[in-house]
Amino acid sequence: DTGVSQDPRHKITKRGQNVTFRCDPISEHNRLYWYRQTLGQGPEFLTYFQNEAQLEKSRLLSDRFSAERPKGSFSTLEIQRTEQGDSAMYLCASRLGSGANVLTFGAGSRLTVL
Amino acid sequence: KQEVTQIPAALSVPEGENLVLNCSFTDSAIYNLQWFRQDPGKGLTSLLLIQSSQREQTSGRLNASLDKSSGRSTLYIAASQPGDSATYLCAGLFGNEKLTFGTGTRLTIIP
Repeated sequence: DTGVSQDPRHKITKRGQNVTFRCDPISEHNRLYWYRQTLGQGPEFLTYFQNEAQLEKSRLLSDRFSAERPKGSFSTLEIQRTEQGDSAMYLCASRLGSGANVLTFGAGSRLTVL
Repeated sequence: KQEVTQIPAALSVPEGENLVLNCSFTDSAIYNLQWFRQDPGKGLTSLLLIQSSQREQTSGRLNASLDKSSGRSTLYIAASQPGDSATYLCAGLFGNEKLTFGTGTRLTIIP
């Protein structure tokens, strides 16, 4: 059990560029979540997967955002045509089964859009 | 709409003192509540998870309580140490898969 891994840890990009973040959950965890955290705020839910199925998306997830978990293992979060307002920490988390179990977070991917 | 509130936003305490961090929530139909620690620029580390059927959970110097009727949870830290300095976040699960987070309390332990 190596925990939840996220890559890259930091990304600096220019406005209008596309960026992609990867998350590798704990191997036996079937549920995977993406959250976004801006400075001084608590994390906000973006989307979650059960195995490869994306079951819920927040209204925060505009058309420029897309997430996938193609084989029910790792997940990617892509942001197209980045805007300065997208600057935030993107956190991935996973758990086994339902909400009764502890949610384990990764170290996050910090995005800075210039 | 479920809301989670943490007051104060920041707290400074001399080393060795016991302290309590507060978390309040608006929906008594809470499924569970989880306390996290976050160091600057880092991800979240889970500290304690309390199910709605439980009143408290303990781990080492940490004790978390849950009172659904009053919409409150507390995190008690005994014999505080400088290494406890961090932001502490509480998050509630309200019957769906989304955790609702508070904005955190930034704790500083003064040596």
